[in-house]
Formats: sequence, C-alpha cells, structure tokens
Amino acid sequence: GENVEQHPSTLSVQEGDSAVIKCTYSDSASNYFPWYKQELGKGPQLIIDIRSNVGEKKDQRIAVTLNKTAKHFSLHITETQPEDSAVYFCAASIGPLGPDYKLSFGAGTTVTVRA
Amino acid sequence: ETGVTQTPRHLVMGMTNKKSLKCEQHLGHNAMYWYKQSAKKPLELMFVYSLEERVENNSVPSRFSPECPNSSHLFLHLHTLQPEDSALYLCASSQGKVDTQYFGPGTRLTVL
Repeated sequence: GENVEQHPSTLSVQEGDSAVIKCTYSDSASNYFPWYKQELGKGPQLIIDIRSNVGEKKDQRIAVTLNKTAKHFSLHITETQPEDSAVYFCAASIGPLGPDYKLSFGAGTTVTVRA
Repeated sequence: ETGVTQTPRHLVMGMTNKKSLKCEQHLGHNAMYWYKQSAKKPLELMFVYSLEERVENNSVPSRFSPECPNSSHLFLHLHTLQPEDSALYLCASSQGKVDTQYFGPGTRLTVL
C-alpha cells in the first residue's frame, strides 16, 4: 500500500518568514495530494490540495508543489502569522479513491510561529 | 449545525465499560469514516461506510463496533477497551469516492 513520509516533524519559524513542509510517497499511481491543518482541539481541515496533472497550486499565502517523477510534494506558507501555528498533515491517494476509500496520511508537522 | 459534529468531545471510561461515540454529518455526503489519531503517528483508518454499507475494516479489534443507521449518522460502540486505545477518534465524511474528506472535531478518549 501507499506509504507517506513527512518532514520535518517540528518546525519553528519567525513571524513573517516562510515555512516549508515536504512529503514523499511510494505509490506512483497516487494522483491526489491534500494538505490538512489541525488546530488544537479541532479536527483536520483541508487547506489546499493538488492533483497530478498540476505542478503547483497557490491560494493566497499557501502553495503546494508536486514532483511526480521524484514522488514528492511540498507545502509552502509565506509571510507566516501566529494563526498558522498548528499541526499540518499531508496525504496521498489514488483519486477518485480506490475500492478501499483510503487516504494515506503523513505523521504530521507541528509548526510554531514565533512572534 | 454545519459540517461534521461529534459527541461527546471527551470521554473517560474504565476497561469494563461500554460507551458509544456519535458522529453526524450535515453535508449531504454518502460516505463516512472512523479514524484513530495517536500522538506522532499518521491517522489510522478504522472503518468506512458507503451508502450505509461497511466497505472497509482495517483489521480493527472487535472491541470496536461501528454502526451506520443512515447516511448522516455514524456510531462507534466501545466495550472492554484497553489503555492503549486511548486516542483522539475522528469522524469524517465525503461524497462517495470523491477524494476530499471533511473531519469532525474528534472525541478525546481516555481508557483507565
């Protein structure tokens, strides 16, 4: 099955700086890559996703890049703000989801934005 | 009420207790999921229901028993749990096999 690795596990950045989280996946058939943000006491919330026919996608201060050849994708947060502090999860799946409806998640990155 | 809701938000139970977790989605979706979230580990998919039929059971111990009475409600019945079952239990929903899953806030379970 799909195996997703996520690095780093913790990331501390100064407010206003950029944060980058990287994920690698093992199944070359995967073609859907969402990113989730989980704030304290809440469930994961989808913040951005990318599909394999796109190399980069942006939404305001957030961007995701995908390198299918290398089987890795990254989340970029620019001009970080205190409210960006959270745990971020990457995931990969064969979309539309395969028979097992499975999203494979990374272990998460705890991002702390220092004021 | 919008999105995916879960009750209770916190639950403490002994190993001999029986309790149930409830999930309700208000998104009109027809697939629902239970995940287990433990510290520093990837989310673990436990069960998937599509159109009220179970389509996935990831080798979960029988002390966890899911129930999906309709496409909006999902339960997780718990009995004779172990301390290692303490975790955050998340419910999610999606529109069939469309990739995007929407999560509830979770139930923080502590087994004494």
